[in-house]
This record gives sequence, C-alpha cells and structure tokens, in this order.
Amino acid sequence: DSGVTQTPKHLITATGQRVTLRCSPRSGDLSVYWYQQSLDQGLQFLIQYYNGEERAKGNILERFSAQQFPDLHSELNLSSLELGDSALYFCASSVGPKTDTQYFGPGTRLTVL
Amino acid sequence: DAKTTQPTSMDCAEGRAANLPCNHSTISGNEYVYWYRQIHSQGPQYIIHGLKNNETNEMASLIITEDRKSSTLILPHATLRDTAVYYCIVRVPLPTQGGSEKLVFGKGTKLTVNP
Repeated sequence: DSGVTQTPKHLITATGQRVTLRCSPRSGDLSVYWYQQSLDQGLQFLIQYYNGEERAKGNILERFSAQQFPDLHSELNLSSLELGDSALYFCASSVGPKTDTQYFGPGTRLTVL
Repeated sequence: DAKTTQPTSMDCAEGRAANLPCNHSTISGNEYVYWYRQIHSQGPQYIIHGLKNNETNEMASLIITEDRKSSTLILPHATLRDTAVYYCIVRVPLPTQGGSEKLVFGKGTKLTVNP
C-alpha cells in the first residue's frame, strides 16, 4: 500500500460525457502527478501540481484539466470523452516539486462506450 | 522520448538472482537513474534509485557503471511475485516549463519468474 488513494476504481461512461477522477496523496507529500496508461501508448505523464500550483505539463489534452485543492487532494477532469480515452489513470505523489521518488495509487480504470 | 533502452523480456528461475540491464548512454552528470516496476495493472511501484554509487535496499540492488552509461537492477532471490514489467527511468527536462522535469516510462522489461 503506497498511501496514495484514488477513487473510483472503475468508471464506465459514454462518449461525450464528463467525469472526475480523485486522488489523495500520501500524508506530507505536496506534489501530485497524473498519468494515463493505455494499451498502445504505455504510461504517459499528463500533469503535475505542487502545493496547489501547476508545476509541469505533459501530454495532456485540452479536453482534460486538473486541479489541486488546499487539502492537497487533486482531481482530474475529463470532458467530451472519446473511445480512445479508455485507459488506466494513475495518480502519484512525492514530497517535493522536482519529481523525486513518486508513489503511485492503484489507478482508476475508465471505460468509454 | 525515453532516454533508456531495456530488453523487451527476460526469464528467471525462482530463487535465482534476476539481473535486469538498462542503457542510458545520454545521461547527464547530475541525473539519477530510477527503477520502478508494475505488476499486472497495478500502480507502478518504486524500487530504487541511484546517481553514481551502487545502492542497495530491502528490495533490490542497483549497480551503475563507472561511466554511468548503463546500470543493472539485481533482485537477489527472485520469487513468483516479482513477475512484473520493470522500468528504468531518467528524468527528462521540460525546457519551456521553468526547469520542470518529468519521468518518461518506456516499454520496460517484462520479467517472468518461473517455478
């Protein structure tokens, strides 16, 4: 158990819909990272927040957005969903802003029908 | 844009040492090498990291060559539960984002531990 929690575990929705994935980092960690893992793309870095501020941006689509709240939990919002957005979404956390050692949550499996 | 290369797959007998190689010939002087593993579809698990010296923890040992162009992760007594995809990673800078960096997970090595 990494100490990072993610909800929900599974999410099934339809194309065009919007969903929100939630992540709570390990106690004491200020950075939260979001990753997408699909069968053909591997594990792709999406975005990082550090202490409430966006720190780094990777291959995140404009239809996706994230935020980190004052209690340090983070939400990843996915809108106008397409079939290709079906994937595992992982959240990770670390103590500091510079990548450090990241601890991953169990993931949310999103299925878009 | 992974900066590391690893074999696609490896096999190891249960109880034997598993030695997983990684090439990172373009690594710069202050970059750490990280190893993670992913068991089936679980979240990746941090294993170990190092800069120059060899490192050991309760999970594994990391041997880094003197020129730092390659490294080897050693699982001293592999068990069936060590069957996973192992990722060797170096940080990749995001030059337009104020010195930020990201971890780039390549394809990794699929290690299968056989009974």
